Amino acid sequence: AQTVTQSQPEMSVQEAETVTLSCTYDTSENNYYLFWYKQPPSRQMILVIRQEAYKQQNATENRFSVNFQKAAKSFSLKISDSQLGDTAMYFCAFLSGNTGKLIFGQGTTLQVKP
Amino acid sequence: GAGVSQSPSNKVTEKGKDVELRCDPISGHTALYWYRQRLGQGLEFLIYFQGNSAPDKSGLPSDRFSAERTGESVSTLTIQRTQQEDSAVYLCASSLVGGAMNTEAFFGQGTRLTVV
Repeated sequence: AQTVTQSQPEMSVQEAETVTLSCTYDTSENNYYLFWYKQPPSRQMILVIRQEAYKQQNATENRFSVNFQKAAKSFSLKISDSQLGDTAMYFCAFLSGNTGKLIFGQGTTLQVKP
Repeated sequence: GAGVSQSPSNKVTEKGKDVELRCDPISGHTALYWYRQRLGQGLEFLIYFQGNSAPDKSGLPSDRFSAERTGESVSTLTIQRTQQEDSAVYLCASSLVGGAMNTEAFFGQGTRLTVV
């Protein structure tokens, strides 16, 4: 069975600084996708960034980028130039390309301080 | 609809009563997921529907929990004989095709269930 682990329950960063959130996963599959979702206090889940496992190039979306290390099964999220609006809970997620099952890590609460 | 819709948004029930939570996915989305999120915690997988395939029920915590889906539309999650430990936000998500490239899961706002 697949598992997703986020080992940082809480993190904080000063506005305009850079922060990295960690995620590791375990799977025996080769066909899968990885995601980072953001959940602000409104509770609405928002997709931040996605990565296809077959792509070696790390995904980037504006201030958000990932460091995907397939052999190490690691998928960290880097937020550059942190903004107050980035304050939220961040979830790492694994999507099986074989079954379509989508599972999440425990989440990291990020606070951006002014 | 424009997004995933869940109802009710809040539900308070007495211990021992049955509750039914509803999810209307985005039209045309064949994959539908249910998750439980306790306060300040992660998303706990409950069940996954994909088209007409048998659902993946591996996350249902006990036989008090069940879910159904009518074709590729509305889904209901039923909790029988509710317990205080069932208090949580129940989130529903849908995606165009489970497991396909560029498949983003879209989430509803959730149902906050409180068992008193």
